[in-house]
This record gives sequence, C-alpha cells and structure tokens, in this order.
Amino acid sequence: AQKITQTQPGMFVQEKEAVTLDCTYDTSDQSYGLFWYKQPSSGEMIFLIYQGSYDEQNATEGRYSLNFQKARKSANLVISASQLGDSAMYFCAMRGRSSYGKLTFGQGTILTVHP
Amino acid sequence: GAGVSQTPSNKVTEKGKYVELRCDPISGHTALYWYRQSLGQGPEFLIYFQGTGAADDSGLPNDRFFAVRPEGSVSTLKIQRTERGDSAVYLCASSSTGGATYEQYFGPGTRLTVT
Repeated sequence: AQKITQTQPGMFVQEKEAVTLDCTYDTSDQSYGLFWYKQPSSGEMIFLIYQGSYDEQNATEGRYSLNFQKARKSANLVISASQLGDSAMYFCAMRGRSSYGKLTFGQGTILTVHP
Repeated sequence: GAGVSQTPSNKVTEKGKYVELRCDPISGHTALYWYRQSLGQGPEFLIYFQGTGAADDSGLPNDRFFAVRPEGSVSTLKIQRTERGDSAVYLCASSSTGGATYEQYFGPGTRLTVT
C-alpha cells in the first residue's frame, strides 16, 4: 500500500519568489514513481514533474524542481519565480510497482500567488 | 493532438437512477484509469484497464459501480441506484502503458450531482 501526506493545506507566496510545497510518502515497494500535478480552478489535472525512486538526480522541468530525499521519504516540489498563473491546487502522488498503474494522491495544497 | 475527453461534463440525476459516464482516452494509450474526486480532496482510484480487461478494480466502492472497455479504447463507468454520496467529479486518465514510471494524462472530468 502507498500513502501520501501533504501537511500544508494552503500556502502563500509573493510573485517572483520561490515556494516549496511539502510531500512525504510511505511505501513498501522498492521501485516507485513520484508525481506532482497542478489543478487550477477549471478542474483539469496537469502533470508537472516525475521522479523515479532509482533516479540519482533531482528532477527538473522548467521552473519546477523536485527535492527528492529518499531516506526521509520526502518529495517536495519547488516552484521558482512564482507567477500569478501558478495559483492552483497542487497534488503529490505516487505509483508503486505492486499497485499496477494506480496513483495514490495526497490531500493537496492550495497555492496562492500574490502580486 | 487530442487529449482525454469525457462526457458529459456535468450530470445531475435523482437518487436511485442509473448513470453512465464516458471516457475517450488518447489514441494509442493502452492503460486507462478512473478516479473519483470529492470536494477538497485528492482523487481516489477506482479502476484500471490494460487493454480491454480490468487489471485492478480494487477501488470500486461497491457492486453498484461497474466499468467496461470492450474494444480497448473508450470506457464507460456505470453507476446503478445512485446515492447522494456518489456526488463527486469522476476523472478519467490514460497512459501509454501501465508501468510505474509513465505519466497519466487526465481528462476534464464529469461532475456528477445526485439529488
């Protein structure tokens, strides 16, 4: 079984600043993937970034980077140079080898970017 | 190219009625997933198809819920004797394979309201 915990119900950041959204996970699988999705008020789930459990380097995708600390079972999302359009709900999710294809999601963090 | 599409976008039904929700995945994607998202929560897994067969239906809450994918493309989620607790957004996702590392692309969802 997999479990994802996001402890920050809401976060605020000033435009152009960086922000870190926390995510911790629990799994008995040795091989797994960690994902971050963005869900704007329109409701669509938008894939942001992926980290594999055997990847030695932290994943980066443009302004998004994933701070992966395997021993601590954390996979925090870092958004650099925040933009107003980054305001949305953010979900951390994982998929383990034993769980076939299904994603297990956290509760989400609402990010608000102030001008 | 076309993304995942879902119809209808909104469905209002009376308690006890039968509903069908449709998902059209990205062309060529063999893996298809259904999730349910209640207000303020992360999506919860319902069922996973690899091709025409349900590889994992452990998330279906009870026997009122059933899903099919007869030709390995379009899928239909069927809910019998709907209850008010079934009200949620039903999300469909597809990926090129069901492996742990492949990202899932989500559709816009169907908002189901049971009155």
